[in-house]
Amino acid sequence: AQSVTQLDSHVSVSEGTPVLLRCNYSSSYSPSLFWYVQHPNKGLQLLLKYTSAATLVKGINGFEAEFKKSETSFHLTKPSAHMSDAAEYFCVVSSMDSNYQLIWGAGTKLIIKP
Amino acid sequence: NAGVTQTPKFQVLKTGQSMTLQCAQDMNHEYMSWYRQDPGMGLRLIHYSVGAGITDQGEVPNGYNVSRSTTEDFPLRLLSAAPSQTSVYFCASVQGRTGELFFGEGSRLTVL
Repeated sequence: AQSVTQLDSHVSVSEGTPVLLRCNYSSSYSPSLFWYVQHPNKGLQLLLKYTSAATLVKGINGFEAEFKKSETSFHLTKPSAHMSDAAEYFCVVSSMDSNYQLIWGAGTKLIIKP
Repeated sequence: NAGVTQTPKFQVLKTGQSMTLQCAQDMNHEYMSWYRQDPGMGLRLIHYSVGAGITDQGEVPNGYNVSRSTTEDFPLRLLSAAPSQTSVYFCASVQGRTGELFFGEGSRLTVL
C-alpha cells in the first residue's frame, strides 16, 4: 500500500537559517512526488515535483528536494529561510499503487522566528 | 485565465440542510477532484472525475454527491449536512495523470 509520512508536524527556524522538512513515502512502484505549500487562509500551490527525471528537484522560492530511493525519502530544503516562507507544507505521493490517486501527508507547519 | 473558481467561499448550514459547492475550471483539464481539509489530517479525497460523464469515489465519499456534465464544471452536493462535514473544501483540476494540481481558493463550511 502507498503512504506518505511527514515526520514533523511543526518546524521552527530563525530567519536566515536553513530549512529542512522531512517526508518519507512507501510505494511498490516508481512514485511521483510533490511538495505543495499553503499560506494562511489561502489555497495550495505547487512548490516542486519529482517524476523520475533528475533526483534533485528545484522548485519555486529557492526550495529544492532530493529523491532518495534507498531511504524512501523526499525531504524539502531551503538554504536560508525568509519570513514569507511561514506556511504549511504538504508532501504528496502518486503511483500505480493507488491508481495514480494522490496521497497527502498530514502537513508540516513552518514557523519562522525573526 | 481564471484557473479554478470555487463558490461560495464561506457558508453556514444547519444540520439536515442541503447545499452545492460550485467548481469551474477554464483550463480544459479532464481530471477534477474535491478534497476536504481538516486540522492535522492533510487533504482527503472525496470524489473525483476523469472526464465529462465519469465520476468515482475517493477516500471519504459518504454524504457527498458529484456530477460532471461538462469538462468545465464539477459541483459537490451535500444532501443532508451533518456537523462532521464542517471543514474546508478544495476543488482541484489536474494537468495530466501525474501532473500539477490547480486548486481553487477553498470553501469554508460550518454545519451547526
